[in-house]
Amino acid sequence: DAKTTQPPSMDCAEGRAANLPCNHSTISGNEYVYWYRQIHSQGPQYIIHGLKNNETNEMASLIITEDRKSSTLILPHATLRDTAVYYCIVRVISGGYQKVTFGTGTKLQVIP
Amino acid sequence: DVKVTQSSRYLVKRTGEKVFLECVQDMDHENMFWYRQDPGLGLRLIYFSYDVKMKEKGDIPEGYSVSREKKERFSLILESASTNQTSMYLCASSLTGRNIQYFGAGTRLSVL
Repeated sequence: DAKTTQPPSMDCAEGRAANLPCNHSTISGNEYVYWYRQIHSQGPQYIIHGLKNNETNEMASLIITEDRKSSTLILPHATLRDTAVYYCIVRVISGGYQKVTFGTGTKLQVIP
Repeated sequence: DVKVTQSSRYLVKRTGEKVFLECVQDMDHENMFWYRQDPGLGLRLIYFSYDVKMKEKGDIPEGYSVSREKKERFSLILESASTNQTSMYLCASSLTGRNIQYFGAGTRLSVL
């Protein structure tokens, strides 16, 4: 699996967009980018994933660069409840064993 | 919504005790996982199962065993609990081919 690099922490003002970067320069052509988050004292929660096109769902948007070596998760209007650790993961979609390696992620603090 | 339920949120056990952590999912997922999470180390995979009665070792299986007698239930067993097994334990499940893991709320185990 490709390795990912994320900043250890970020702050964002409440109501503003939170842009969380992730570098995955060794990503392979068949690897997807996944984002999860973990709110304190809870299990990780899936947010979004994509291959090469930008993706949007009710939680967030995912922007993947054309060369696929980096991506950005965007929370358009951050709230205090978005304070969490955000994990960027790259992985193929395939049958069978699906090991997911979580790094240490980015701790996002949303400030009132 | 997918629901992954872990039997206890908090558990305190004594050194040498046999400990059972139970996990149940309600979405007919083939794959189930046990992780532990420690500060600064992220999530580490202990064991996973891709079918009933099937199990595979993850990255840190030593001191643990698992049981999967029914598709919806995956148990983690600490044969003889030790203080270095004090940790947050997270269970997850996923559907083969989708590679999205759904996590339980976690069990915080303290071994005294």
